[in-house]
This record gives sequence, structure tokens and C-alpha cells, in this order.
Amino acid sequence: NAGVTQTPKFQVLKTGQSMTLQCAQDMNHEYMSWYRQDPGMGLRLIHYSVGAGITDQGEVPNGYNVSRSTTEDFPLRLLSAAPSQTSVYFCASKTGIDGYTFGSGTRLTVV
Amino acid sequence: EDKVVQSPLSLVVHEGDTVTLNCSYEVTNFRSLLWYKQEKKAPTFLFMLTSSGIEKKSGRLSSILDKKELFSILNITATQTGDSAIYLCASFSGGGADGLTFGKGTHLIIQP
Repeated sequence: NAGVTQTPKFQVLKTGQSMTLQCAQDMNHEYMSWYRQDPGMGLRLIHYSVGAGITDQGEVPNGYNVSRSTTEDFPLRLLSAAPSQTSVYFCASKTGIDGYTFGSGTRLTVV
Repeated sequence: EDKVVQSPLSLVVHEGDTVTLNCSYEVTNFRSLLWYKQEKKAPTFLFMLTSSGIEKKSGRLSSILDKKELFSILNITATQTGDSAIYLCASFSGGGADGLTFGKGTHLIIQP
């Protein structure tokens, strides 16, 4: 039982490049979400999914796409990276009222 | 709009001191309040509080919720350098996109 697995751990992109941050969980959680964490800003929700085939926007969705074709996987796509997207990204899953489990994070730098 | 405010934003104390971290919230359809500890990587779960006045304890850490005054505190006694971390407070509500609204965190530094 690996929990929530995020890859890669670190990534440097050039402005305008695209990439996909991977997130997978093996706990059969229906609910998954992506957050970004910036200094002094706490965690802010980007997109979330309440189950396979269902996604919705969070607080800061612009510049990001998601899809949920399986219960296990919830990738986050950056369409055209911008320096403002330099951040630490966390994927999380949960079941029920508590039990949020976070991945170990992806540190993304856009130059 | 749901709001969670933590104070102080940063705190430096000496090993052995007791610290109190504060979290106030304004949340529609409030259901519970959660505390997380974040060291270098992912936040790790500490407590979930649902009922007022019932203290939750884990070792040197304890937390309590006041639903009338809309706040929670996290206490750490006999602090150790390993307690240095960012402590995040989050409210869980029945509405909203995610139901989980985070504060900005308290950056706690324990000096030897």
C-alpha cells in the first residue's frame, strides 16, 4: 500500500513548455485533488475529482488541465508553463470526512 | 467565501518552551477542523476536531476547538528541535469545491 505517489519530485521547465505531473493512489479513494503551495500562501486548490470521469475547478485552475480516466490516477497538465506556475504541487486523496492523504510533492521551477 | 486565519505566521522559541498556535475560521456549513504538520515534504495529519471543548492529545501535542468563538488552538509542550515545521490548519465544510480550506500556516522554529 504505497498511498499517494507523485512523480516527478523535481522539474525545471522553460516558459511555454508543457508537461504532466503524475499522481496515483492505491487506496481506492474516490476523491482526489491537486494543490499548489507558495510561500506565505498556504495550500490552494487547483482542480479536484470526485470519481472517475468527473473533474471540476478549484480556486486557481487557470493554466492547468486534469482528467480522471481511472480511480487510481489523476494527472495534472500544464499547457504552456509560465514563471507564475513555479510552485510546489501536492496531490491528495481522501475518503469520507477525514483521511486526507498527501503525496510527497513536486517542486516545479519555470524559467 | 470560507476563510481560515492562522497566527502567528512565524514563531521562534527555545527548546523546552511551550507554544500555542492559533487558528480562526469563518466557514459555511462547518463540519470539522484539521491540523497538519509539514516538514520538508507532504503535510502529515495531526488532529481532526469536530466537537467543542473536547481536547485531543497525542504525546506533547494537544488541540481543542471552540465552535462558539470559531477558533482552535494547537499546543505543544516541552518543545524539541524536531517540532520545527509549518503547522497548517484547515477547515472542512459540507459545501464548496473541496470542502477543505487551508490557512497560510505557522512556521515554527525551535532553537536548541
